[in-house]
Amino acid sequence: AQSVAQPEDQVNVAEGNPLTVKCTYSVSGNPYLFWYVQYPNRGLQFLLKYITGDNLVKGSYGFEAEFNKSQTSFHLKKPSALVSDSALYFCAVRDRGSTLGRLYFGRGTQLTVWP
Amino acid sequence: GAVVSQHPSRVICKSGTSVKIECRSLDFQATTMFWYRQFPKQSLMLMATSNEGSKATYEQGVEKDKFLINHASLTLSTLTVTSAHPEDSSFYICSATDRHSYTGELFFGEGSRLTVL
Repeated sequence: AQSVAQPEDQVNVAEGNPLTVKCTYSVSGNPYLFWYVQYPNRGLQFLLKYITGDNLVKGSYGFEAEFNKSQTSFHLKKPSALVSDSALYFCAVRDRGSTLGRLYFGRGTQLTVWP
Repeated sequence: GAVVSQHPSRVICKSGTSVKIECRSLDFQATTMFWYRQFPKQSLMLMATSNEGSKATYEQGVEKDKFLINHASLTLSTLTVTSAHPEDSSFYICSATDRHSYTGELFFGEGSRLTVL
């Protein structure tokens, strides 16, 4: 069974500091991994994905994530947070063997960056 | 990038009426679309998987007679909330996968805020 865990409901950081939003996953096969961001009353926007190759993936708005197979993690990071990064972040996983295209989402982590 | 258009963005209706929400993939073809429901400050709850030309697959606990889904073309899926009641008030989000994508990346609509009075 596929599942995603985002252990932190809330992450607070000061502007300019590095940020990390944690994600661990469980899939029966090899995963495709995704991060999405949601601003209030909006749909989800794609940030980045891991498919294969380099474990460090770079995405939109300066975000990056590192795939760690041994720890089954895919933490989202940014070297220097901006106030405008404040939003709800979702990690998602898809089993490569799945033909349906369904993604399994974590419960979300609210990131707040204060000035 | 791939764009999914969802309409209307906000709708207010009286209890007992039906509301239709449209989800369109603007620049790609989507054999599969997904409908989610999101409660305040919570994650997305998958309601159903919509497949072009066939019946939707509903998640456990989702009433298929209440939430009618039609996926008549490769670019359009609709969700109709029938005989809406206040407890159906929520944020509904659709998403779609490009049929030519092997990674299954989802593209999301902007969501539809339904308020039932």
